[in-house]
Amino acid sequence: AQSVTQLDSHVSVSEGTPVLLRCNYSSSYSPSLFWYVQHPNKGLQLLLKYTSAATLVKGINGFEAEFKKSETSFHLTKPSAHMSDAAEYFCVVSLGTGNQFYFGTGTSLTVIP
Amino acid sequence: GAVVSQHPSRVICKSGTSVKIECRSLDFQATTMFWYRQFPKKSLMLMATSNEGSKATYEQGVEKDKFLINHASLTLSTLTVTSAHPEDSSFYICSAGTSGRFQYFGPGTRLTVT
Repeated sequence: AQSVTQLDSHVSVSEGTPVLLRCNYSSSYSPSLFWYVQHPNKGLQLLLKYTSAATLVKGINGFEAEFKKSETSFHLTKPSAHMSDAAEYFCVVSLGTGNQFYFGTGTSLTVIP
Repeated sequence: GAVVSQHPSRVICKSGTSVKIECRSLDFQATTMFWYRQFPKKSLMLMATSNEGSKATYEQGVEKDKFLINHASLTLSTLTVTSAHPEDSSFYICSAGTSGRFQYFGPGTRLTVT
């Protein structure tokens, strides 16, 4: 069985300060992990993905995430938040067979000016 | 990159009518297509998985007679919400998968049932 847990339903940061969105997973297999962002009334946009290559993954818009197998974590970070980063973020885990995605419950990021 | 489209992007229908949503992979062939439902301020809930030419596999609690899925070709899947009711109002998102561990998501369809 596998699942993904996003530890914070809401995160609020000031513009220009670092962002940390936490994600832990459980999987019996070597997982693929993804972070998606969703702006209000919009579809999903892929930020970055981990598929068993480098454990530090760089994505778009300055985001990055580190796969830590010992901690079963895949936290999303950004050094300096921008107002346009305010959105909903989803951590997703996938197995190799069937391509099925398992979504976390999401973290709503608010950026304070 | 691979593109998945959905049509329509928004639809309003009256209670009791049926509405069809199309999901197309525009520049690749999708071995598997997925349908998700998203309630306001909630995460995506997988409704069903469909493979071309075979019956869809529905998740527990999803009524297959209510949400009809057809995957007629490697580039097209349709979701028909039959006898829609206001509680069916939601954001429906499809995705298309290939042989790798990845899904390409469509932009979503906002269904409002009045």
